Amino acid sequence: EAQVTQNPRYLITVTGKKLTVTCSQNMNHEYMSWYRQDPGLGLRQIYYSMNVEVTDKGDVPEGYKVSRKEKRNFPLILESPSPNQTSLYFCASTVRGGRDEQYFGPGTRLTVT
Amino acid sequence: QQQVKQSPQSLIVQKGGISIINCAYENTAFDYFPWYQQFPGKGPALLIAIRPDVSEKKEGRFTISFNKSAKQFSLHIMDSQPGDSATYFCAARLKYPDKLIFGTGTRLQVFP
Repeated sequence: EAQVTQNPRYLITVTGKKLTVTCSQNMNHEYMSWYRQDPGLGLRQIYYSMNVEVTDKGDVPEGYKVSRKEKRNFPLILESPSPNQTSLYFCASTVRGGRDEQYFGPGTRLTVT
Repeated sequence: QQQVKQSPQSLIVQKGGISIINCAYENTAFDYFPWYQQFPGKGPALLIAIRPDVSEKKEGRFTISFNKSAKQFSLHIMDSQPGDSATYFCAARLKYPDKLIFGTGTRLQVFP
């Protein structure tokens, strides 16, 4: 089944404790993104990757890191999480870019206390 | 300039009614306008999309109307059903850099 998987689905952590949210897709897509969803703010892009080893900042990259060592995986790293990073996070993949259908993962609900 | 403004924030419609969600943009560099539907606990999924050289696109009960001169586009859901209750996001694609800009979302509730 074609899908985007994210882990964990739920995470509660404390300020400053490094964490990684994994994302994997099995559709051989070139383009992958991370979004955060907050009430009243919609979906905002954090980082994106147009191909392996190519990543770039989205609209809200502060406090986040990503890497794209393999085509299928695109982990999101929070080196020192803060409470304002409490949010619902989505990974998405698409064949090449913005004009192709984006396939979203199931989401990761992160709470930073 | 990269924003996509979406309204209303929430919408309550009776079963069988028409749901209308509106979006507006400023940047004329946008070249593709999709709508995504999100059910509670799930990721968004593509519902319908339109290119700016087309004024209307219909798929079943869902229609996008696009007004290029006014820089506005809207989603119409005809004969709304309780199963349509979800959050809807409009979006616009920027070619350089290649990315989607999403609206703030509309929570639609359809009551029987």
